[in-house]
Amino acid sequence: NAGVTQTPKFQVLKTGQSMTLQCAQDMNHNSMYWYRQDPGMGLRLIYYSASEGTTDKGEVPNGYNVSRLNKREFSLRLESAAPSQTSVYFCASLNTYEQYFGPGTRLTVT
Amino acid sequence: AQRVTQPEKLLSVFKGAPVELKCNYSYSGSPELFWYVQYSRQRLQLLLRHISRESIKGFTADLNKGETSFHLKKPFAQEEDSAMYYCALGGGSEKLVFGKGTKLTVNP
Repeated sequence: NAGVTQTPKFQVLKTGQSMTLQCAQDMNHNSMYWYRQDPGMGLRLIYYSASEGTTDKGEVPNGYNVSRLNKREFSLRLESAAPSQTSVYFCASLNTYEQYFGPGTRLTVT
Repeated sequence: AQRVTQPEKLLSVFKGAPVELKCNYSYSGSPELFWYVQYSRQRLQLLLRHISRESIKGFTADLNKGETSFHLKKPFAQEEDSAMYYCALGGGSEKLVFGKGTKLTVNP
């Protein structure tokens, strides 16, 4: 099992550009999550999906959209990137009580 | 509202010394508490869950509902314990609220 995979690993965007961060899990988990990790701020939940076709806002959803097209994949889209979105983004999926995390995407917006 | 406080951003100890990473929480319901760890260049992973009451890599954590705390302890720190540690709170939903993290450095 690959677990939780994320692409890309690194990305540099200019202000105003758009992009989609991809996440996939092969563990047949229902719930998936997108977090951002910032120094001194810990992990903050952006969006959450309890099952295919359902999504829910987390603590910091502004500027992001998500899609849960199937059970495996949960993507995060930045429509118009801003420097404040410079961060490390983590995807996770839930097995009973344990969240399994992906390796992260380091995004820089200039 | 659910809240997790980790008062120390940085914690530095010498190898062999005891270490305690503090975590306090605020939650009106029945809490589920976790410790997650992120070693350098590795992904975040679960270290401990309060319900299991087990020791992992020599670490233990006891839920104290009176003091609303879930401190992580290890009697003799090792260099390989150097990592970022996050306390997380769940309860009533599948979402977790993470603290801001404590970076532990164990010096030789």
